[in-house]
Amino acid sequence: EAGVAQSPRYKIIEKRQSVAFWCNPISGHATLYWYQQILGQGPKLLIQFQNNGVVDDSQLPKDRFSAERLKGVDSTLKIQPAKLEDSAVYLCASSQEWLAGSSYNEQFFGPGTRLTVL
Amino acid sequence: AQSVTQLGSHVSVSEGALVLLRCNYSSSVPPYLFWYVQYPNQGLQLLLKYTTGATLVKGINGFEAEFKKSETSFHLTKPSAHMSDAAEYFCAVSGGTSYDKVIFGPGTSLSVIP
Repeated sequence: EAGVAQSPRYKIIEKRQSVAFWCNPISGHATLYWYQQILGQGPKLLIQFQNNGVVDDSQLPKDRFSAERLKGVDSTLKIQPAKLEDSAVYLCASSQEWLAGSSYNEQFFGPGTRLTVL
Repeated sequence: AQSVTQLGSHVSVSEGALVLLRCNYSSSVPPYLFWYVQYPNQGLQLLLKYTTGATLVKGINGFEAEFKKSETSFHLTKPSAHMSDAAEYFCAVSGGTSYDKVIFGPGTSLSVIP
């Protein structure tokens, strides 16, 4: 079974530029997550989708970050304009669809995109 | 709300020695608890999880963890370290349903000395 795919793996940009990351989840996984992992810290959830609807985006800096999941499969995360503090690894994860009252569904992580903002 | 602390950002052990990585959590509801491992330039992989039932949980690669409610702890252990265990380890907590986001600790970097 193919895992979660992300591209690009590395990106270097200057501050105030724009950047986009792409994620393709495991086939059949309805739930998709984007995390930000700053060096020396654990991952922080930015946004969670169930199919193509947003479940949680409470920690997404909406003035500069946006994400979409068209057709409930692939997803893109965009930063516009980037700041120095956005330098981090952006991880995408997916899990099977969760239902009300269901137990935890394991999240499967992609390799991440390492963003450096100069 | 949930939170996680991991004592020791870096831990070094000799090959063959006991591995002990510490995790304490805070949760206002019965928690789900997890340990993830991250190898360089890779995503996170689930080592083990506690949801309900038996408090001693066995995971992959010989790791296990014990949920101690009275101590609000979920420490990770392995009897004998291998060189391949060198990685970053993250403890995480969620609120016990799939509605709840997973909150990760800051991580512990494990080094294994030959």
